[in-house]
Amino acid sequence: QKEVEQDPGPLSVPEGAIVSLNCTYSNSAFQYFMWYRQYSRKGPELLMYTYSSGNKEDGRFTAQVDKSSKYISLFIRDSQPSDSATYLCAMSPIKAAGNKLTFGGGTRVLVKP
Amino acid sequence: GAVVSQHPSRVICKSGTSVKIECRSLDFQATTMFWYRQFPKQSLMLMATSNEGSKATYEQGVEKDKFLINHASLTLSTLTVTSAHPEDSSFYICSAYGTESYGYTFGSGTRLTVV
Repeated sequence: QKEVEQDPGPLSVPEGAIVSLNCTYSNSAFQYFMWYRQYSRKGPELLMYTYSSGNKEDGRFTAQVDKSSKYISLFIRDSQPSDSATYLCAMSPIKAAGNKLTFGGGTRVLVKP
Repeated sequence: GAVVSQHPSRVICKSGTSVKIECRSLDFQATTMFWYRQFPKQSLMLMATSNEGSKATYEQGVEKDKFLINHASLTLSTLTVTSAHPEDSSFYICSAYGTESYGYTFGSGTRLTVV
């Protein structure tokens, strides 16, 4: 069983819809949670970063962490075709140089005009 | 925000030759660099972690003599693929950790094709 599970998709939604993405994890030591967006043939771009449990909102993006359920989510409101990409969750137990991230497998999202 | 410049973006080389990929942190000091490999439609696979001035730590199964990593300064790390073979063809991405922000900033990736 992988440490971080993420549905590979593809997830296809019409423009303007809410995109709902999630990851589950097994390591209770994870405290730092990140969501990255990766366009084809590009490096990942950090979208959201949260520490411990709770919600965080940034523009059209909302990240949620439920540590009791070991479940994190990313919601994208008013989705646009430019949101079509692969979304990767990542997490780590501590914030320190040299500490590697554990990634989910990524969910491919397609927003249809 | 933090920017990591990775070059080249694409390279084609002949089998048996070596290829060097550079990653530079442009506006912050990268105490740690991570090198990843990514196959089509798959997630990132960590190859190695390097700290400035130290030898790199390689993940299990990664040949350190084949994938040479140098992190000689706080702004530059290089990955050299030695004696490249077609099976080394892949997308290579670096990530730099800096203490000024949360810190894991990725380069734009290098697509290596060995013919």
